[in-house]
Amino acid sequence: KNQVEQSPQSLIILEGKNCTLQCNYTVSPFSNLRWYKQDTGRGPVSLTIMTFSENTKSNGRYTATLDADTKQSSLHITASQLSDSASYICVARGSTLGRLYFGRGTQLTVWP
Amino acid sequence: DTEVTQTPKHLVMGMTNKKSLKCEQHMGHRAMYWYKQKAKKPPELMFVYSYEKLSINESVPSRFSPECPNSSLLNLHLHALQPEDSALYLCASSQPSEKDNEQFFGPGTRLTVL
Repeated sequence: KNQVEQSPQSLIILEGKNCTLQCNYTVSPFSNLRWYKQDTGRGPVSLTIMTFSENTKSNGRYTATLDADTKQSSLHITASQLSDSASYICVARGSTLGRLYFGRGTQLTVWP
Repeated sequence: DTEVTQTPKHLVMGMTNKKSLKCEQHMGHRAMYWYKQKAKKPPELMFVYSYEKLSINESVPSRFSPECPNSSLLNLHLHALQPEDSALYLCASSQPSEKDNEQFFGPGTRLTVL
């Protein structure tokens, strides 16, 4: 069964601190994996995309990793800001029909 | 223009009402999607249009009726909804059938069914 599991479900950190969010997927055949940021009541916005041949990709303070062998990905946020408070959703794309499989998201709260 | 717009932002309707949600994009994308998202849950795919033709219907009840009048517009017609249909309805668009077809999401319409 194609699934995407994320942990933790929620996370609270202080402004300026770093954090790492985890994603495990069982999507097969696998095409790529994206991390989305979703502010409350808004649509998701793509942060990074990774294919099976990529290990690390950065976008500003966001760094994503992918281990295609263990089917795990992580999103590391450096020097967190209050505006980072949002839900971070891991989305794996299957090669068949390009179907997207969404994780439940990690709700990140950054406190001043 | 890299934006997907949705109207209205909020909608409150009774179970006997008929209403429509609208979505528009001008990125030249030929695939458009409707998702339903309940609170603290991931988006659930409802419909996919590819080249203005319905290609995927995820067994959605007939009280939801999608329409794609042209390559830039996507509508979702609502009739005789139930309170459990209250959710955030997201529209997305992408280039179809490509390896790296990022889906661009709109801000959503927050629907409340009384």
